[in-house]
Amino acid sequence: EADIYQTPRYLVIGTGKKITLECSQTMGHDKMYWYQQDPGMELHLIHYSYGVNSTEKGDLSSESTVSRIRTEHFPLTLESARPSHTSQYLCASSGRVNTEAFFGQGTRLTVV
Amino acid sequence: KNEVEQSPQNLTAQEGEFITINCSYSVGISALHWLQQHPGGGIVSLFMLSSGKKKHGRLIATINIQEKHSSLHITASHPRDSAVYICAVLFMNYGGSQGNLIFGKGTKLSVKP
Repeated sequence: EADIYQTPRYLVIGTGKKITLECSQTMGHDKMYWYQQDPGMELHLIHYSYGVNSTEKGDLSSESTVSRIRTEHFPLTLESARPSHTSQYLCASSGRVNTEAFFGQGTRLTVV
Repeated sequence: KNEVEQSPQNLTAQEGEFITINCSYSVGISALHWLQQHPGGGIVSLFMLSSGKKKHGRLIATINIQEKHSSLHITASHPRDSAVYICAVLFMNYGGSQGNLIFGKGTKLSVKP
């Protein structure tokens, strides 16, 4: 069954810690995306990738970084978490022929 | 430019009412998704549309490709339908730093008993 997984679902972490949010998809999709959603606000694109070794920044500036070493994984890293990074992070993917998108359930990050 | 407009932004209804949420977009698309997000919860995909109409229980989603418009309807609304409903559009073109998968701002629905 086609699916996209995000882990962890919830994370509370102290300021200054390094964190990695995982996103994996089993569909062989070329395109993967990370969105950030501040509390009560809309989703904004922060990173996307159109294939292995290809990453681009979205229209919302973010201190996070991403990598795409394998087609199925698109992890997002914060080197030093700050309270301003408290947000929901959503991963999505879509295929080469652009017929449909799939969505992770989101990771709710709280930095204290 | 790839753009998505969703309305209304907020909607309050009485239990049992018929609800409509609208989504309009700017240029050619591959697919349109309706998503549901409960407070503090994750995002759940309700429908994917590329044409016509789909129905699942009390939820109905329609899309008019010529008019570049989609609607999500909830029949016999219930307080458990209270959530944010989000339209997400997969555009055919890449859209630069916007990417080609763009979300509407969401509609916050509150159904009162």
